[in-house]
Amino acid sequence: AQTVTQSQPEMSVQEAETVTLSCTYDTSESDYYLFWYKQPPSRQMILVIRQEAYKQQNATENRFSVNFQKAAKSFSLKISDSQLGDAAMYFCAYRSGGRGGSEKLVFGKGTKLTVNP
Amino acid sequence: NAGVMQNPRHLVRRRGQEARLRCSPMKGHSHVYWYRQLPEEGLKFMVYLQKENIIDESGMPKERFSAEFPKEGPSILRIQQVVRGDSAAYFCASSPAVATNEKLFFGSGTQLSVL
Repeated sequence: AQTVTQSQPEMSVQEAETVTLSCTYDTSESDYYLFWYKQPPSRQMILVIRQEAYKQQNATENRFSVNFQKAAKSFSLKISDSQLGDAAMYFCAYRSGGRGGSEKLVFGKGTKLTVNP
Repeated sequence: NAGVMQNPRHLVRRRGQEARLRCSPMKGHSHVYWYRQLPEEGLKFMVYLQKENIIDESGMPKERFSAEFPKEGPSILRIQQVVRGDSAAYFCASSPAVATNEKLFFGSGTQLSVL
């Protein structure tokens, strides 16, 4: 079974600075997707960024980018120019790829990000 | 286009009562997933349904829990004879199709508190 590990229960960053959240995963599959979700106090799960395992290029969405190391099974999230609104729980998630694969997401335990003014 | 709607937002039950959680997927979505989030934990998959069919219930507890997604109306997650350990946030997500590049849309969850 696939597992997702987030080794940082909490992180903090100064406003306008850069922070990196870590995520490692374990799988024997070669085709899969990786995600970072943001969960603010409202509880709404918001997709931040997605990476297809077959793509070598790291995904980027505005101030959010990932460092995807497939061989190391590592998928870290970098937030640049941190803003107060970035404060939230961040969850790394895995999903099998390919038809016939399970559609379910496997989540890590999350990292609570605090942004200091 | 309204998002995924879950109700109620908060549900309080006494031990032994039944809890019914509702999820209306986004318009045009025929695939629904239920997840449970315990305090200080990530979301854990429970069940995956399509209209009138349970596709994957590998995350559902063997007893007291059931889910349905009828041809008409919302998906329902039902918990019978609730216990304190059932207290959690329950999230529903929907997608339009099976294709794995489809984005999942999450609801805001139902917080179940068992007294």
